[in-house]
Amino acid sequence: AQSVTQLDSHVSVSEGTPVLLRCNYSSSYSPSLFWYVQHPNKGLQLLLKYTSAATLVKGINGFEAEFKKSETSFHLTKPSAHMSDAAEYFCVVSDSGGYQKVTFGIGTKLQVIP
Amino acid sequence: EAGVAQSPRYKIIEKRQSVAFWCNPISGHATLYWYQQILGQGPKLLIQFQNNGVVDDSQLPKDRFSAERLKGVDSTLKIQPAKLEDSAVYLCASSLESPTAYEQYFGPGTRLTVT
Repeated sequence: AQSVTQLDSHVSVSEGTPVLLRCNYSSSYSPSLFWYVQHPNKGLQLLLKYTSAATLVKGINGFEAEFKKSETSFHLTKPSAHMSDAAEYFCVVSDSGGYQKVTFGIGTKLQVIP
Repeated sequence: EAGVAQSPRYKIIEKRQSVAFWCNPISGHATLYWYQQILGQGPKLLIQFQNNGVVDDSQLPKDRFSAERLKGVDSTLKIQPAKLEDSAVYLCASSLESPTAYEQYFGPGTRLTVT
């Protein structure tokens, strides 16, 4: 069985300050983990993914995430928020075993205040 | 490279009517997914195909929803009869093979309103 928990439904930051979106996962197998972003009225886009290579993963638009197995976490960070980062962010887990089922988190809405 | 195509983009129907959505994945992508995204929630996987076969349909309400993937390419998702709670955006996505290693590419979605 697998699950993913996004710990904050809403996060608000000021432009130019760091962003932290938290994600914890549960997986019976070695998981792959993803972060997707969804801008208003736009499709889902992959930000970054972890697939058992380097634990610190760099993605697009300055985002990165660190896989911490001991904490079962995959938090998304960015050093300095930009207005264009305002969107909904989804953490996704996919088991490597069995049928490689995909599970989305409920999403975190990021608000960036000018 | 063309993206995932979906049609229609919007659909309004009355409850108890039927509706069908169509998806054309990226050429060469073996895996196809249908998701339901209710307003304010994350996408919920309804069904996952690997080529022609169903990999996971555990969250598909099979009494009213059905899906097929013809010749391992295009796919249709049908709802019959629709209920008010089916109002959502239906997303189609595709990936090269397993979702473990390959990212999913999402279509623009079909927004369904059931009145």
